[in-house]
Order: sequence, then structure tokens, then C-alpha cells
Amino acid sequence: AQKITQTQPGMFVQEKEAVTLDCTYDTSDPSYGLFWYKQPSSGEMIFLIYQGSYDQQNATEGRYSLNFQKARKSANLVISASQLGDSAMYFCASRRGGRRALTFGSGTRLQVQP
Amino acid sequence: DAGVTQSPTHLIKTRGQQVTLRCSPKSGHDTVSWYQQALGQGPQFIFQYYEEEERQRGNFPDRFSGHQFPNYSSELNVNALLLGDSALYLCASSPSQGAGETQYFGPGTRLLVL
Repeated sequence: AQKITQTQPGMFVQEKEAVTLDCTYDTSDPSYGLFWYKQPSSGEMIFLIYQGSYDQQNATEGRYSLNFQKARKSANLVISASQLGDSAMYFCASRRGGRRALTFGSGTRLQVQP
Repeated sequence: DAGVTQSPTHLIKTRGQQVTLRCSPKSGHDTVSWYQQALGQGPQFIFQYYEEEERQRGNFPDRFSGHQFPNYSSELNVNALLLGDSALYLCASSPSQGAGETQYFGPGTRLLVL
């Protein structure tokens, strides 16, 4: 079974600074996908960014980038120029190739301070 | 472009009762997945429906059942409710092909079992 580990229960960052949220995954499948979601207090999971295991380049979406280090099995999320609205829970998730379920980590609570 | 919608937003039931939660997928999506998120945890996969059939199931008892309709909308049914079924229930839709089959989530249904 896949396992996602997020070792930072909580993080603080100053507004306009960059922050890195850690994620490591454990899979023996050669094909898999990695995802990051944001969950504000309202509860909705908002998709941020996707990285495929065969993608050569690190994924980027606006202020979000995924630092994909395949050999280390890490998929850290980098948020540049943090905004107050970035305060939320952030979940890393993976999906094995050929399977459908997302496996989520335990999340990191990010608080952006003015 | 309407996103994933879920109803109801909140629900209170008593032990032993049955509940039905509903989900309409994002336009263009034909696959629906259901997740249970207990307080303070990451979502756990319940099952996924595609072409009106259950395609994959997580580690949930048979009390949890579902259905997908020809218009791709879906229902989650939970019988003989237990206190431990209290959680946020998230529905996610995805296309059957492309872009990592990224799952987009609805706002969730908060179920409280008394």
C-alpha cells in the first residue's frame, strides 16, 4: 500500500515570504501521480498541483511549484510570496498507476502572518 | 463552469439510522469518488464509480454503499450509522483520462451521528 508522510503538523510564514511544505511517499510502482490540495476551514479540498512520476520537469502552477526528487521519494510544495489567504491545511496525496484511489498524508497547517 | 456540488451541506442523524449523500460531478467528468475525513485527519478513500459501476473500493464495511446514475451523479448510502461515522464526506470527480485523472472535490457534507 502507498504511504504519504507529512512531518510538519504546523508551519508559520511571514506574508510575502516563500515556504516549503514537506512530503515523502512510499511506493514501489514505477507509475504514480502526486498531488497537493489546500483545505481552508470551509472544508473544500482545492486542487493545487500535479506531478506525474515520468514528468521530467518539476510542476509549476502560478505561485505553487512542486520540488520533485524521485530518488529521495519526496514531493515538496513550494509556495512563493505567501499571502494571508494561503492560511489553510495542505495535503499531499498520491495515486498509484492503474489504481484510482488517492492516498493522503496527515496534512500541514500553514499560518501566514502579516 | 459548475464545479462539484454536494448535498446536503450538514446532516444530523442518530445511531442506527440510514443516510444518503448526493454528489454532482464537474462538467465533463464521468468518474466519482467518495472520501471520509474524520476530524484532524486526511481523507480516506471509500469507493469510486465509473460507468455506473463500483470500480475500486477502500477499506470500508458493507454498510457503505453507493450508486452512480447515467448523468454521472452519485449517491453514498450509509446504513446502521455508528458514532464513528461522524465525519466530513467529500465527493470528488475526475475525467477517466488525461492530466493524471486529477480529482476535483466538492464542498463536502458534514455528518454528525448522535
